[in-house]
Amino acid sequence: AQSVTQLDSQVPVFEEAPVELRCNYSSSVSVYLFWYVQYPNQGLQLLLKYLSGSTLVKGINGFEAEFNKSQTSFHLRKPSVHISDTAEYFCAVSRASNTGKLIFGQGTTLQVKP
Amino acid sequence: GAVVSQHPSRVICKSGTSVKIECRSLDFQATTMFWYRQFPKQSLMLMATSNEGSKATYEQGVEKDKFLINHASLTLSTLTVTSAHPEDSSFYICSARTGGGRNTEAFFGQGTRLTVV
Repeated sequence: AQSVTQLDSQVPVFEEAPVELRCNYSSSVSVYLFWYVQYPNQGLQLLLKYLSGSTLVKGINGFEAEFNKSQTSFHLRKPSVHISDTAEYFCAVSRASNTGKLIFGQGTTLQVKP
Repeated sequence: GAVVSQHPSRVICKSGTSVKIECRSLDFQATTMFWYRQFPKQSLMLMATSNEGSKATYEQGVEKDKFLINHASLTLSTLTVTSAHPEDSSFYICSARTGGGRNTEAFFGQGTRLTVV
């Protein structure tokens, strides 16, 4: 079975500061890794995904994430955040053999302050 | 990108009644759809996997007789919450998977806020 742990439930940060949202996963089989963003009362929007290849993945809105197999981590970063980045962020995994069936972490609320 | 539409976006129903939520893939054929439930300030929990033309596969702890899933076509899956109770109040989100292979991606609907009074 797979599991995902997001280490921070809330991350407050000032506008234009860098941010890192942490995600660790556990799995005995090959997995794909994802980061999604959710705005209030809305569905999920894919920020980026790691399937294979380069461990540094670039996504939309200036976000990037690095896959670290030895540390089983997939942390999300952005060098300079905006007020509009305030949202809930979810890390998720799926088995490489069953894409689409996602196991989500608990979520991290990013609060960008002016 | 592919579009998944969920309807309704919000619904309020009386305790004991049933409510149906639709999930449609608008511009692609979805052989598989997934239904998630999200409690306030919590993560998404997979309820069931819906395959076109076959019975849904429910996750452990999800009552299949309470949450009826029908995937009658390649573009439509429905979730019916039967005999709803206040504890069924939640945010329900569907996703639809397009194609197959390593680049398969699941696209999410905008969610349905169910309130049972």
